[in-house]
Amino acid sequence: DQQVKQNSPSLSVQEGRISILNCDYTNSMFDYFLWYKKYPAEGPTFLISISSIKDKNEDGRFTVFLNKSAKHLSLHIVPSQPGDSAVYFCAATPGGGGATNKLIFGTGTLLAVQP
Amino acid sequence: NAGVTQTPKFQVLKTGQSMTLQCAQDMNHNSMYWYRQDPGMGLRLIYYSASEGTTDKGEVPNGYNVSRLNKREFSLRLESAAPSQTSVYFCASVGGGAWETQYFGPGTRLLVL
Repeated sequence: DQQVKQNSPSLSVQEGRISILNCDYTNSMFDYFLWYKKYPAEGPTFLISISSIKDKNEDGRFTVFLNKSAKHLSLHIVPSQPGDSAVYFCAATPGGGGATNKLIFGTGTLLAVQP
Repeated sequence: NAGVTQTPKFQVLKTGQSMTLQCAQDMNHNSMYWYRQDPGMGLRLIYYSASEGTTDKGEVPNGYNVSRLNKREFSLRLESAAPSQTSVYFCASVGGGAWETQYFGPGTRLLVL
């Protein structure tokens, strides 16, 4: 049972345009959400996160939106750059902090930004 | 500061062979994790160690054992490898101010024939 779902395995956008990556979750106990970025042959790196008490968090070109009623979050990248081409993983946790709050990852979306 | 390091980078095993994947971090983190990544499955937690001296099962622990050797090192052992364990294995650690920011190693690619 996939609790965190990324239904688009891949996405292709033009450089300078907006990239929108989507993520859905089923567990209403999740209250902290994260996005990780992964280049080939490297480990994932943390990108941006959002707590369930917010509906938006922004960090430079990256913005994450959370719609709790729809159990949906999205990552917007504006403007997209070729260096953004990577696999993006959505992750969720019941939150509260601490090592025992394990992250549940989605299956990832491969973003290709065309020059 | 090397962060999280993993050895080996790549390994080929025959069914039934054993091996240990090594992980070390130099960030003085308390908690460490082992994940596997398979196509179409995302990252799944195998085992974790909340602190030195403790280990707990994650989502997919069968066929694996772990050892938290000290604060720096967390190893993953396959006692009798199976083709279903062909995967990319990632180690991660967390322990700084932003607890949720898990730092990942570069991964070990394992092929079991």
